[in-house]
Amino acid sequence: DTGVSQDPRHKITKRGQNVTFRCDPISEHNRLYWYRQTLGQGPEFLTYFQNEAQLEKSRLLSDRFSAERPKGSFSTLEIQRTEQGDSAMYLCASSFLPGQAFSSNSPLHFGNGTRLTVT
Amino acid sequence: DQQVKQNSPSLSVQEGRISILNCDYTNSMFDYFLWYKKYPAEGPTFLISISSIKDKNEDGRFTVFLNKSAKHLSLHIVPSQPGDSAVYFCAARKAAGNKLTFGGGTRVLVKP
Repeated sequence: DTGVSQDPRHKITKRGQNVTFRCDPISEHNRLYWYRQTLGQGPEFLTYFQNEAQLEKSRLLSDRFSAERPKGSFSTLEIQRTEQGDSAMYLCASSFLPGQAFSSNSPLHFGNGTRLTVT
Repeated sequence: DQQVKQNSPSLSVQEGRISILNCDYTNSMFDYFLWYKKYPAEGPTFLISISSIKDKNEDGRFTVFLNKSAKHLSLHIVPSQPGDSAVYFCAARKAAGNKLTFGGGTRVLVKP
């Protein structure tokens, strides 16, 4: 399977605990995105990376959230001191941006997400 | 501020008939639009896209129409099949932008 892989698929945690999610993008993709989706809503942008550089963060990404992509391959999203409002589906997506282009029309390819439940 | 809106949360259609999904946007900086389909417990999968320089793009049973003056796009699925039952999201991207802004989704049910 050469699609976007996310781990774990489900995570249940108690309020106040820290959680970390992992995303493995499609191997040749240099762009990696994190989105969050709550029930009945569309995905909301959190952040994205070009290789290992984090180029944009949404205001939704509070100080308790941190994302990394240390070697430009897989990425991790950590949530510290989880709150019940963090309960959501966390989606990772990847795409390929050719050469020196800043933007392209290549669609994002999404993983199956990690569903977080904070009790 | 919801910049991309799908005003119909659900749609039911008979197999073989046409499904029409609508999407409105408010930001005139959007220049690229996409439709994604999502099955339960899976991530969204790309369906079809359209650039703002076009008003129609067709791919098999799926056609997307763009009306820039009305800031409106629609997705036509014809003929609809039971396997098309899913949640459909429209998304938009600004010129030279790098993130997608999604609508809230429309749940489509195709009845056999």
